[in-house]
Amino acid sequence: NAGVTQTPKFQVLKTGQSMTLQCAQDMNHNSMYWYRQDPGMGLRLIYYSASEGTTDKGEVPNGYNVSRLNKREFSLRLESAAPSQTSVYFCASTLAGSLDEQFFGPGTRLTVL
Amino acid sequence: GENVEQHPSTLSVQEGDSAVIKCTYSDSASNYFPWYKQELGKRPQLIIDIRSNVGEKKDQRIAVTLNKTAKHFSLHITETQPEDSAVYFCAARSRDDKIIFGKGTRLHILP
Repeated sequence: NAGVTQTPKFQVLKTGQSMTLQCAQDMNHNSMYWYRQDPGMGLRLIYYSASEGTTDKGEVPNGYNVSRLNKREFSLRLESAAPSQTSVYFCASTLAGSLDEQFFGPGTRLTVL
Repeated sequence: GENVEQHPSTLSVQEGDSAVIKCTYSDSASNYFPWYKQELGKRPQLIIDIRSNVGEKKDQRIAVTLNKTAKHFSLHITETQPEDSAVYFCAARSRDDKIIFGKGTRLHILP
């Protein structure tokens, strides 16, 4: 099992450009999450999806959109990137309602110039 | 909205001593409380967790306690070692599977 995978690993954008961060898991998990982590900061929840077909806002959803493409995949889109979105983005997944471990992907380091 | 507060933000302890990190949560419906360790440049990794029907859990040198009435839970690391140096995060999971993290504690183990 690959666990949780994310692409790309690194990305540099100019202000105003758009991009989509991809996340996939092969653990048959229902719930998937997107977090951002700024230097020296904690993990802040952007959006989550408790099941296929549903998405909900987290703590910092402004400037982002998500798509739960199917049970395996959960993408994060920046429509018009801003320097304030420079961060490391982590995708995570877990079994819904199982009170079990949340598994994280390796992260995407995004810089917006 | 839901919130998780974590203290202290930085903690330095002498090797061999104990370290304690404390968290409080706001959503009384939260039912699962994991602790993660993150080393520089890596993803967070679960080190211990506790469910809302349990007051304490121990795994070798690591223990977690939960006080549901006070909405408070703590991580205890005994006999600290150099490899314990890292950033530690607490989190709380609500019944709709939303998982919120604290801001983290940077733990330094001094030789």
